[in-house]
Amino acid sequence: DGGITQSPKYLFRKEGQNVTLSCEQNLNHDAMYWYRQDPGQGLRLIYYSQIVNDFQKGDIAEGYSVSREKKESFPLTVTSAQKNPTAFYLCATWTGALHSGNTIYFGEGSWLTVV
Amino acid sequence: AQTVTQSQPEMSVQEAETVTLSCTYDTSENNYYLFWYKQPPSRQMILVIRQEAYKQQNATENRFSVNFQKAAKSFSLKISDSQLGDTAMYFCAFQGGGGADGLTFGKGTHLIIQP
Repeated sequence: DGGITQSPKYLFRKEGQNVTLSCEQNLNHDAMYWYRQDPGQGLRLIYYSQIVNDFQKGDIAEGYSVSREKKESFPLTVTSAQKNPTAFYLCATWTGALHSGNTIYFGEGSWLTVV
Repeated sequence: AQTVTQSQPEMSVQEAETVTLSCTYDTSENNYYLFWYKQPPSRQMILVIRQEAYKQQNATENRFSVNFQKAAKSFSLKISDSQLGDTAMYFCAFQGGGGADGLTFGKGTHLIIQP
């Protein structure tokens, strides 16, 4: 079954803890993205990666880190430096190239709550 | 940087009515894509419709159509014969810069279809 798998669905973080959200894809897409969604808000870009071993900061990268060691995987670590991490996190991939089949696919998301 | 503005935080219509959601954007690019995504309570992001900026013809997908006014930088979504299942958050999104930089989202419109 092709697609994007995010895990865990729900995650609770204690103050001062780092946590990692997993994103795995079998769509063979080069580009992958992490977005954050706060209540009543649109999605904001945290980090993105256009190719293995390369990634770029998005609009709200502070307090987050990523790695891209494999094409299929793009994990997001929420560090203790992120002071307000409670949000819904979405991973996405892109078909690549602006053509008629241009599509961005999203995973089902992960809820992160600070306790 | 691009910006996307959705000026209607919430809209409510009766079932079977037609509703139009507004979206404006700001960009200096000439080649880009615009999208409407639906996000039901499950939080899954579902692509509704896609418009290529270089195409003058407005995109349509069954009951969904857009009014794309490139000079005015306007991209509204029309839902005809609205159904209860159309109740969701709707996000307008911009993709430019060759595509790899990800999407820029508006803050969304919460559409409620009343029985």
